[in-house]
Amino acid sequence: NAGVTQTPKFRILKIGQSMTLQCTQDMNHNYMYWYRQDPGMGLKLIYYSVGAGITDKGEVPNGYNVSRSTTEDFPLRLELAAPSQTSVYFCASSYDYTEAFFGQGTRLTVV
Amino acid sequence: LAKTTQPISMDSYEGQEVNITCSHNNIATNDYITWYQQFPSQGPRFIIQGYKTKVTNEVASLFIPADRKSSTLSLPRVSLSDTAVYYCLVGDIRNAGNMLTFGGGTRLMVKP
Repeated sequence: NAGVTQTPKFRILKIGQSMTLQCTQDMNHNYMYWYRQDPGMGLKLIYYSVGAGITDKGEVPNGYNVSRSTTEDFPLRLELAAPSQTSVYFCASSYDYTEAFFGQGTRLTVV
Repeated sequence: LAKTTQPISMDSYEGQEVNITCSHNNIATNDYITWYQQFPSQGPRFIIQGYKTKVTNEVASLFIPADRKSSTLSLPRVSLSDTAVYYCLVGDIRNAGNMLTFGGGTRLMVKP
């Protein structure tokens, strides 16, 4: 039982490039989330999903896209990367409104 | 969306009990209070959740007064490994996008 798995762990992108951050959970959770965390700050919600085929915007969705074709996977797409997207990205999942499980994060640098 | 206010930082010593208070004056009827712990370079980890009165688990206790406008996370006999950032979250269980809204957190430093 791996929990929430994020790949890659680290990535350096050039300005204007695109990439997909992968997130997979093996707990059959309906709810999944993407956050970003800037140095010394709290987590900000980018997108979330309450089930396959359903996604919704969080607090800071601009510059990102998501899809949820299966219960297990919730990839985050960055189009036209900008330096302001340099951050640590966390994916999380939960069965309901109680305990959420977080991945280990993806550290992204845009140069 | 209920806003939370926590101290930015706290210091303690090993073996002491630590109480971190969170203020949430405009908490709504369907809001639950949840605390997470985050170590450097790791994702947050669930500690405890409650709605009212007192909740206790093997890690911590959560005290919530009758008016629910504040809550206190109590960590008994802390050790150096409890040095982390602690987040108080208040969210509507009917709204997945609202349930897990993080504020700035409290940075706890445990000293030997």
